[in-house]
Amino acid sequence: DADVTQTPRNRITKTGKRIMLECSQTKGHDRMYWYRQDPGLGLRLIYYSFDVKDINKGEISDGYSVSRQAQAKFSLSLESAIPNQTALYFCATISGRGDNEQFFGPGTRLTVL
Amino acid sequence: QKEVEQNSGPLSVPEGAIASLNCTYSDRGSQSFFWYRQYSGKSPELIMSIYSNGDKEDGRFTAQLNKASQYVSLLIRDSQPSDSATYLCAVIGAGGTSYGKLTFGQGTILTVHP
Repeated sequence: DADVTQTPRNRITKTGKRIMLECSQTKGHDRMYWYRQDPGLGLRLIYYSFDVKDINKGEISDGYSVSRQAQAKFSLSLESAIPNQTALYFCATISGRGDNEQFFGPGTRLTVL
Repeated sequence: QKEVEQNSGPLSVPEGAIASLNCTYSDRGSQSFFWYRQYSGKSPELIMSIYSNGDKEDGRFTAQLNKASQYVSLLIRDSQPSDSATYLCAVIGAGGTSYGKLTFGQGTILTVHP
């Protein structure tokens, strides 16, 4: 099994729809992160979590919400999608042990029409 | 000021040359620094991590860290066309509101031409 999986891998939706992107990991890492990537802008942090009760906003959290259902699962929701949320979304995990072992998911390409 | 900034690209070098990529960061307390390679549409791939001042070498890659200047760089020796990609610098914050936050620069596109 892949270390970090993201579902769906591709999604086309319409303005105003609610959509959830899911991330699961098998590495037992405490830290999980959601990023979006737009051309020329690198990866911008949306939310991150250190455990199920520790959720932190990143630099671009407006319009997004997250849920850490378990250590292995971290979901990103767009309550009412808008076209400028069209982007490539990545989930990442990092070990909190100090070795910073880290893994990225394969990405979800989201298009909002 | 952006938390992590990379030198503007794109950068083009001939095959066999040294490619030099630079990054500055604003959180003086940061302790962990990373370089990633990313091919178009793919997820970032960690190629170097560095935690102490000085140089760290791994094959054709050398990462350099200067905490006093808040500067981290990546040198790629004997550049190959397969090195053509976007290179991302990232930093983990050490304290306060930045604790544990992995922040990326905007990336530098590198093209190695034959």
